[in-house]
Amino acid sequence: AQSVTQLDSQVPVFEEAPVELRCNYSSSVSVYLFWYVQYPNQGLQLLLKYLSGSTLVKGINGFEAEFNKSQTSFHLRKPSVHISDTAEYFCAVRILSGGSNYKLTFGKGTLLTVNP
Amino acid sequence: NAGVTQTPKFRVLKTGQSMTLLCAQDMNHEYMYWYRQDPGMGLRLIHYSVGEGTTAKGEVPDGYNVSRLKKQNFLLGLESAAPSQTSVYFCASSYLRLAGGPVEQFFGPGTRLTVL
Repeated sequence: AQSVTQLDSQVPVFEEAPVELRCNYSSSVSVYLFWYVQYPNQGLQLLLKYLSGSTLVKGINGFEAEFNKSQTSFHLRKPSVHISDTAEYFCAVRILSGGSNYKLTFGKGTLLTVNP
Repeated sequence: NAGVTQTPKFRVLKTGQSMTLLCAQDMNHEYMYWYRQDPGMGLRLIHYSVGEGTTAKGEVPDGYNVSRLKKQNFLLGLESAAPSQTSVYFCASSYLRLAGGPVEQFFGPGTRLTVL
């Protein structure tokens, strides 16, 4: 079964610093990859997605992620964070074959806290 | 478009009581999902539906039932609530890509349920 590992449960950073949130997945077949953001007391909102093509994907709010097939990773980056980026971030994977291709598998989330 | 809406937003139940959570989407999506979110656990799939009149079990289906009588609605029922079902419940929907099945999921704002 596929799994998604978000290597850091919490990431504290200072405002205007760069940040990287790490995500690794386990799958031997092709995948779709997603990053979602959840602000306090809200639902999940799509930040960006990789379906095919360029391995560098740009999303909303200045975030980007790079798909690395050999390392089975999809790390999320932002060069300069704002206080308003404080939220929980979820990585998700969908495999493209087999009986489980209807669903997303989510990581456990990374809480990004941006301090002034 | 309202997107995905959930009713109610909050609910407190006593052990043994029953209730139904309603999810509605106005995007004409084929797939719909129910998740629960618990601290440190990420999102776990309860049940899902690949179309009107169809439902299937996810990772944690015990204690829940679902129905999808209309394409736009997906109901989650708790027949006899237990304190272990205290959680935040999210509904999501997804469209089909022509080649590759469902893509990203669109989430509702959540229902916070407490079972005493």
